[in-house]
Amino acid sequence: GIQVEQSPPDLILQEGANSTLRCNFSDSVNNLQWFHQNPWGQLINLFYIPSGTKQNGRLSATTVATERYSLLYISSSQTTDSGVYFCAVGGGADGLTFGKGTHLIIQP
Amino acid sequence: DGGITQSPKYLFRKEGQNVTLSCEQNLNHDAMYWYRQDPGQGLRLIYYSQIVNDFQKGDIAEGYSVSREKKESFPLTVTSAQKNPTAFYLCASRRGTGGYEQYFGPGTRLTVT
Repeated sequence: GIQVEQSPPDLILQEGANSTLRCNFSDSVNNLQWFHQNPWGQLINLFYIPSGTKQNGRLSATTVATERYSLLYISSSQTTDSGVYFCAVGGGADGLTFGKGTHLIIQP
Repeated sequence: DGGITQSPKYLFRKEGQNVTLSCEQNLNHDAMYWYRQDPGQGLRLIYYSQIVNDFQKGDIAEGYSVSREKKESFPLTVTSAQKNPTAFYLCASRRGTGGYEQYFGPGTRLTVT
């Protein structure tokens, strides 16, 4: 099956810093999503981005499907950005394959 | 409010007992999914259903069973055959057309002792 690798596994930053999270995947995909998992376990949809670039406030994402990677950018980090960020990919109507996540800690 | 609900939030069972986790959605989505998350790990697919009365096994279906009798409901039964049932279980749904984006419920934490 498809493999998903996220890096870095852990990231500690000061409030106000910028960060880039990476997701590599091993095969072509029709679905790529970025999620933020909050401390209560809820998965919050950040981006649905099988290709191209999208922006939402301080967050943006880019997927280069031909090179099988996606990047999530967080600018001007806030403590509320802390948590685990997951990349998940899929062929379409089937389920998603998740990476192991990037654990982000933003210190005040 | 439109959304996905899972109940209960926390569930405790003794080893050897079957337990059923509820997942309901009022988004009129066609497809529904069950995932399992272990500590420090990503989610893994258990079962999914594209339409009523039809479902497919995911990557880790052994020891689980599902039904899809209604479009809005997709209950998951964790049977006594599941060797390591303690985990966080999340349900998701997706519209049938117009893209593949999945949306998740709040999850159920199951502890089996």
